[in-house]
Amino acid sequence: AQKITQTQPGMFVQEKEAVTLDCTYDTSDPSYGLFWYKQPSSGEMIFLIYQGSYDQQNATEGRYSLNFQKARKSANLVISASQLGDSAMYFCAMSFSGGYNKLIFGAGTRLAVHP
Amino acid sequence: SQTIHQWPATLVQPVGSPLSLECTVEGTSNPNLYWYRQAAGRGLQLLFYSVGIGQISSEVPQNLSASRPQDRQFILSSKKLLLSDSGFYLCAWSGVTMNTEAFFGQGTRLTVV
Repeated sequence: AQKITQTQPGMFVQEKEAVTLDCTYDTSDPSYGLFWYKQPSSGEMIFLIYQGSYDQQNATEGRYSLNFQKARKSANLVISASQLGDSAMYFCAMSFSGGYNKLIFGAGTRLAVHP
Repeated sequence: SQTIHQWPATLVQPVGSPLSLECTVEGTSNPNLYWYRQAAGRGLQLLFYSVGIGQISSEVPQNLSASRPQDRQFILSSKKLLLSDSGFYLCAWSGVTMNTEAFFGQGTRLTVV
């Protein structure tokens, strides 16, 4: 069975610094997708970044990058140059082949950016 | 561009009352549709998904049901709400390509009293 683990309930970072949010996953499926979503206090889920299991390079989207280490089954999110607006819950999620893009979510990490 | 609408944003309902939450998608056809629930301070749990009109798959046994009467309409229902149905409900859609991202509605915060 597939599983996502986020071991950091809360993190804080100083504005303009970089922060890494951890995510490990478990699956026996060779084809899967890894996603990060941001959930601000308003509750909406905002898609940030995607990494496919067969992608050779780490995904990047602006200030977001995904540190994908397949052998270690980790998919950490790196946010560079943190901004106050980055304060939110962050969820790691996984899809799998034959799963109709159903997502399995981790418990989330609450990030607080301090001025 | 594609948009997803979900309503209402908040709802307070008494125990035993019915429920109907609606979600519609614009700008795409034949999407996969999903209902997730988020308990306070937790991650999201998939409740139902649909790959076509009238096709509903349930992920967890519960007091809720879902329907897809039109291609881009997804409805979450209950005949009699329980206290344990309280939570934050999110509708989402994705394309049919494998391992593609899902896009979420604004969510409905349901409180059963």
